[in-house]
Formats: sequence, C-alpha cells, structure tokens
Amino acid sequence: AQSVTQLDSHVSVSEGTPVLLRCNYSSSYSPSLFWYVQHPNKGLQLLLKYTSAATLVKGINGFEAEFKKSETSFHLTKPSAHMSDAAEYFCAFISSGSARQLTFGSGTQLTVLP
Amino acid sequence: GAGVSQSPSNKVTEKGKDVELRCDPISGHTALYWYRQRLGQGLEFLIYFQGNSAPDKSGLPSDRFSAERTGESVSTLTIQRTQQEDSAVYLCASRGGGELFFGEGSRLTVL
Repeated sequence: AQSVTQLDSHVSVSEGTPVLLRCNYSSSYSPSLFWYVQHPNKGLQLLLKYTSAATLVKGINGFEAEFKKSETSFHLTKPSAHMSDAAEYFCAFISSGSARQLTFGSGTQLTVLP
Repeated sequence: GAGVSQSPSNKVTEKGKDVELRCDPISGHTALYWYRQRLGQGLEFLIYFQGNSAPDKSGLPSDRFSAERTGESVSTLTIQRTQQEDSAVYLCASRGGGELFFGEGSRLTVL
C-alpha cells in the first residue's frame, strides 16, 4: 500500500534549537513529496516540495527537507526554531503511479518553548 | 480570486439535517479536491475533480456525501442527514503548477 507516515504526533523544542519532524513514505513509484504547515484555524500552506530534482529542498521560513530514497524518508528540518513556527505540520505525497490524490500523514504538532 | 474561498466558515447544524458547503477555486485551476479533517487528525481525502473527467469519489465515506462541480468553477459538497461523526473541518484545494492551494476550511459541528 502506498502511504506516508509521520513518526511523531507531537514534538516540543526550545526556541533557538533545531527542529526535526520525521516523515517516511511507502510507494512503488517515484513520489512527489510535500510538507504543509497549518496554523490554528487556518488553511494549509505549502512549505516545500520534492519532485525528483535536487534531493535537498529548501522551503519558506528557513525550513528544508532531504529526500533519501534508501531510507524512504523526507524529514523536515530547521536549524533554529522560532516561536512563530508552532503549528501542525503535515507530510504528503503524490505517487506517479496512482490516482491524482494527495495523501497526507497524520500530522505532527510542533510546540516551541520560550 | 486571489485564493481558494470556502463558505460558510462555520456551520452548526442539528443531527439529521442536510448541509451544503461551497468551494470557489483559484481561477484557471482545473483540479479541485475536498478533504475532511477531524479534530486532532490528519486530512482524509474525499473527492477529486479534474476538468470534465469523471470525479474520483473513492474517498467519500458514505452515500450521504456527494459533491458537484460544473466545469472548472465552484464546487459544492453536500452531506445529507448529518450525523455527529460528520463534525469536522472540510477543506477544499485547487491545483496549479503542481501545487495544491487550500482554502481555510468550513468547520461543521453537528449537535
């Protein structure tokens, strides 16, 4: 089955420390991978996407993610967390062999402590 | 418009009533998606429209759910005989340039 798994439902970091949000995928085909952020009572905003170009993808607000085929991972990182980064983060993918729906992980709630 | 617009932003209804949710996609976007997000959970795919092709309805949870879209314009998601488990935020997205753009959602509460 093709799916995406976010390994942590909650992550808590101190302001100024690195952020790591983990995502693993399962797909028989080359996937396109995405990270979205959702602030409370807001719609989803695209942070970054991987579409088989460079494996290290840089996104908005200082976030980046690295596609590692050998590990089937697409973890999201940021060197230094800011209070405004507190939100829900969703990993998602579209498999080139599937229907065109975007499949989402269950989300990771990021808390940033002062 | 500038973004995906959804209405109503909030809807409270009684169990057994029908509700209709509206999505106005970004002009020119041929693909439109509906997702459901229950409290504390991820996004659940409901239905996908692509131009004039037959919609992908594989995510609709029951026959009480239906959606329509005429051409590349507004879409409506209808839930008949609502149940308490239908309470969720219903998100609409349209696709352009390989990216999905989401509306802010319609929060449905079924009492």
